[in-house]
Amino acid sequence: DTEVTQTPKHLVMGMTNKKSLKCEQHMGHRAMYWYKQKAKKPPELMFVYSYEKLSINESVPSRFSPECPNSSLLNLHLHALQPEDSALYLCASSHSQAGASTDTQYFGPGTRLTVL
Amino acid sequence: AQKVTQAQTEISVVEKEDVTLDCVYETRDTTYYLFWYKQPPSGELVFLIRRNSFDEQNEISGRYSWNFQKSTSSFNFTITASQVVDSAVYFCALSETSGSRLTFGEGTQLTVNP
Repeated sequence: DTEVTQTPKHLVMGMTNKKSLKCEQHMGHRAMYWYKQKAKKPPELMFVYSYEKLSINESVPSRFSPECPNSSLLNLHLHALQPEDSALYLCASSHSQAGASTDTQYFGPGTRLTVL
Repeated sequence: AQKVTQAQTEISVVEKEDVTLDCVYETRDTTYYLFWYKQPPSGELVFLIRRNSFDEQNEISGRYSWNFQKSTSSFNFTITASQVVDSAVYFCALSETSGSRLTFGEGTQLTVNP
């Protein structure tokens, strides 16, 4: 089973709202990732968690706050976003710790975020 | 630094045609991995194949085949007898054992018309 689930599928929020994106995997993977993807562009890495610890932050603005409550769950907390943050947010997981990026990353279906 | 180039931005074919998507990569590592992902309009990135730099054997999976040539730093993907359901954006990606990133190409939008 190579399934990564994400909720919600779609999210519309105002610039003053606080919302969270959720990601879950039950493959026993120990690395989890958040990507941002703008239209007609490849995914851009935002954060990597390895064994529930943040190992990579790609200089993402603090209005994006990741959290890894346990090895199966990954959240992305959103606050005071800008319209340019509208994008598809993808979660992924891989078997081993970050840095061993040669492992296959399995992606979820994504959350389409619109910031008004 | 690693780099992946997918020179074909968009390809349009008629159903049942064969189509090849090109991928050229740059890396200084001798050990690296190459991937292909498919992204249909629904948005999910679907893993298709992973190949390490020491395995130059071509691979076939149903209508899909991959041609890996280290001499030209290419990892091309061919769909035989294309179908409308093959319409998607296809990404080629590279990761180095010395690095911590998956580097994607810009993607190729494939449209298969009935």
